[in-house]
Amino acid sequence: SQQGEEDPQALSIQEGENATMNCSYKTSINNLQWYRQNSGRGLVHLILIRSNEREKHSGRLRVTLDTSKKSSSLLITASRAADTASYFCATDERGGSNYKLTFGKGTLLTVNP
Amino acid sequence: KAGVTQTPRYLIKTRGQQVTLSCSPISGHRSVSWYQQTPGQGLQFLFEYFSETQRNKGNFPGRFSGRQFSNSRSEMNVSTLELGDSALYLCASSLGASGTYNEQFFGPGTRLTVL
Repeated sequence: SQQGEEDPQALSIQEGENATMNCSYKTSINNLQWYRQNSGRGLVHLILIRSNEREKHSGRLRVTLDTSKKSSSLLITASRAADTASYFCATDERGGSNYKLTFGKGTLLTVNP
Repeated sequence: KAGVTQTPRYLIKTRGQQVTLSCSPISGHRSVSWYQQTPGQGLQFLFEYFSETQRNKGNFPGRFSGRQFSNSRSEMNVSTLELGDSALYLCASSLGASGTYNEQFFGPGTRLTVL
C-alpha cells in the first residue's frame, strides 16, 4: 500500500500563481522527500526534510512538515510553464533495520502560460 | 560527474521471456535501488543493494531478482514475463544506504513493454 498520498491528484494554474501540494503518510518517518518527474522520465530530487524539521526552503520551493498530523506540503511560488510535471512525496519509513523509500501516487501540476 | 545511466532505454519482449536491465550509479555511490512505475500502481519499491548485498526488498514475486557488482553497477532480472510487468523501471543511486538521509539520484528509466 502507498505510504504517502498526495492531494490533489491534479492541479492546473496560470503562470505566476503559487501551487500547493499536500502529502499525507501513515507511519513514523525518518525523513520526507519531494521529487519531480517530467512526463515518463526519471525523477529529480527537489528537497529533503528531516522528521525533526518543520520547514525548509530551496529557491521557489517551500516545504513544511507536521509530524503530529503526518502531513507535508510543497509550495511552489511564482510558477513557470517549466514547472509542469508530476510531483511525488516519498517517505523513508522508520522502524527496523532496513528502510525503504515509499512514494505516493503524485500530483500532476500543469502551469499554463 | 556523470549521472545514473540505465540500459537499455526501451525494450519490447513477449510473455514468458526473461529480461535483464542494467544500472550504472553515480561514481562513488554504493547504494542502488530499483523501482517499478505503472499508471495503476504508481512507483513501487523493488529492492535496494548496498555494497553488493540486498538490503531490502519490496512486495514483488520471486520472478524479480537483482544483484550488485563490486563496482556498484546493478542489474535486475525479470523471468517469465507477464503482461503486467510492462512498466517504467527506474534505478536510483545514493551515497549511503537508505535511512541515512541521503537523497536518491534517478536514472532516466527503462521502458519495458511485454506483448
